[in-house]
Amino acid sequence: SAVISQKPSRDICQRGTSLTIQCQVDSQVTMMFWYRQQPGQSLTLIATANQGSEATYESGFVIDKFPISRPNLTFSTLTVSNMSPEDSSIYLCSVAGTLSYEQYFGPGTRLTVT
Amino acid sequence: AQKITQTQPGMFVQEKEAVTLDCTYDTSDQSYGLFWYKQPSSGEMIFLIYQGSYDEQNATEGRYSLNFQKARKSANLVISASQLGDSAMYFCAMREGMRASYDKVIFGPGTSLSVIP
Repeated sequence: SAVISQKPSRDICQRGTSLTIQCQVDSQVTMMFWYRQQPGQSLTLIATANQGSEATYESGFVIDKFPISRPNLTFSTLTVSNMSPEDSSIYLCSVAGTLSYEQYFGPGTRLTVT
Repeated sequence: AQKITQTQPGMFVQEKEAVTLDCTYDTSDQSYGLFWYKQPSSGEMIFLIYQGSYDEQNATEGRYSLNFQKARKSANLVISASQLGDSAMYFCAMREGMRASYDKVIFGPGTSLSVIP
């Protein structure tokens, strides 16, 4: 199994500012996945981060808004840039194990933009 | 196009009764995996059960079982003997491809389950 930690656990930010969310895994993983969960909604994949290459973004998400870093096999950051109230969500980091049924999630970062 | 459909936004079940949460999916891949997750109000994602597309037997994990009907592309979750602690959001999810380390997991819209004492 993999244990994932995220920082911060929650934050309240002003409109127009940026927040960087950190994701740390206790083992080396190939891919790290970032999801957004808007209030009352399901999880939507933002991007997939592979070490040593640029992240792959899903439709509707762009690098300028959600830049991602992946400096090594256990760590990634997601930045939410130029925030607006619509960015208020839970942001979750996720990794897969080696077995097909293994998909682990961090505790999430609850972001409120005022 | 929506790849995972959960047609029940909200469900109620009496404590100790069984409940079925519906999930249908759409994929052209032959290799895929289906997940069910529980998300209580605390927000954590709790893995419940997994079914691979090539698994011949329906998956079971304690009180959870997955009714997998491949031809119908459905993967319904059955919770037996419901408990008050089962009240939560339930998400059906799918990974297209079997490369766990590489292939992304996408989620359905979820079903809110409430267990009545």
